[in-house]
Amino acid sequence: QKEVEQNSGPLSVPEGAIASLNCTYSDRVSQSFFWYRQYSGKSPELIMSIYSNGDKEDGRFTAQLNKASQYVSLLIRDSQPSDSATYLCAVTAGNMLTFGGGTRLMVKP
Amino acid sequence: GAGVSQTPSNKVTEKGKYVELRCDPISGHTALYWYRQSLGQGPEFLIYFQGTGAADDSGLPNDRFFAVRPEGSVSTLKIQRTERGDSAVYLCASSLGYNQPQHFGDGTRLSIL
Repeated sequence: QKEVEQNSGPLSVPEGAIASLNCTYSDRVSQSFFWYRQYSGKSPELIMSIYSNGDKEDGRFTAQLNKASQYVSLLIRDSQPSDSATYLCAVTAGNMLTFGGGTRLMVKP
Repeated sequence: GAGVSQTPSNKVTEKGKYVELRCDPISGHTALYWYRQSLGQGPEFLIYFQGTGAADDSGLPNDRFFAVRPEGSVSTLKIQRTERGDSAVYLCASSLGYNQPQHFGDGTRLSIL
């Protein structure tokens, strides 16, 4: 059974702080790793993809991948109230995505 | 450009009825996926099409569920003899191909009474 684990939260951070979201996965052949943001009642929106070990930065978002530890993280700098959502980690070995249960992030003004 | 389009956005029907859910992928995307999401959980894979063929249908829960993509574009997910446990949001995603990022539609919220 391929598993992706996330802390369900809620993770509460003050506005302007760094939010750190973590994810572990069980399938060692996973090749691609994604972070999706999902607002309540809406569909998942792709915000980051990462394919190799290390860091990948895009604006306020940084994804980190450590394949040896089977660990993916997402850092959100200068968190804004509009970042409040559920963040889904997803991994794939090629076709289907296996999702974690999501971490609910709350950014308080 | 246009994203993934799903219709209807909401569907309410009685137990035992037949339903069809439609997905129109992003133009040029050859890969199409169906997922199901229950409240408080991440999406769960149902089926994957590459072109017209179902390349992986291992996520379909039972033989009441079936999906087609006859011309390699629009796909229809069909559920026979619906049960209350089928109630969920059904999400469709498309991508340029194998191992590429998947982009989701707004989903169909299915409620079985």
